[in-house]
Amino acid sequence: GAGVSQSPSNKVTEKGKDVELRCDPISGHTALYWYRQSLGQGLEFLIYFQGNSAPDKSGLPSDRFSAERTGGSVSTLTIQRTQQEDSAVYLCASSSKTGGSEKLFFGSGTQLSVL
Amino acid sequence: SQQGEEDPQALSIQEGENATMNCSYKTSINNLQWYRQNSGRGLVHLILIRSNEREKHSGRLRVTLDTSKKSSSLLITASRAADTASYFCAWIQGAQKLVFGQGTRLTINP
Repeated sequence: GAGVSQSPSNKVTEKGKDVELRCDPISGHTALYWYRQSLGQGLEFLIYFQGNSAPDKSGLPSDRFSAERTGGSVSTLTIQRTQQEDSAVYLCASSSKTGGSEKLFFGSGTQLSVL
Repeated sequence: SQQGEEDPQALSIQEGENATMNCSYKTSINNLQWYRQNSGRGLVHLILIRSNEREKHSGRLRVTLDTSKKSSSLLITASRAADTASYFCAWIQGAQKLVFGQGTRLTINP
């Protein structure tokens, strides 16, 4: 695609429900990142996928968070049993090369609101 | 912060003035990047400076890097209202994890 696409753009859910956030990276990009950004704050690293290598999951805040990347393309971030503190913008980014050696292209994010 | 800091956290200047933002990090790096974020959504890459470079220019942007002090600065010259945004520096931490500073919120007053 022309850019990184994230869906949905907004998600409102009730506490305790599960949510799935989707990211379509730029075609051919091997590196994919998920970040979380609370209102007025910086970006918190969640997880990093690079090709067929094992993902770096060191930023996932709890075992309620998981992510997968199917076929080296689309990625899904799943949050189980959502809590109010999960409310944030979830940003996905992709890159054509090993993370950090080249620029990242970001999607517009998913605004998650947990009531 | 475990990762690093940016200062100031917020900066408000008049249109036409120059804006300087600083970034400090805590690890050895191969390069450092700067991004801009409008309206709290997706970030846009501005510039990448490699560890063997001390200064880099792109249009009205000037970035410096001092690896001995583990710091970088972003200068925007002749600011415009459209430059109003949050600015973040980013670098590799550990193997390949790209982490971001806390950002500087820049407001350009007409």
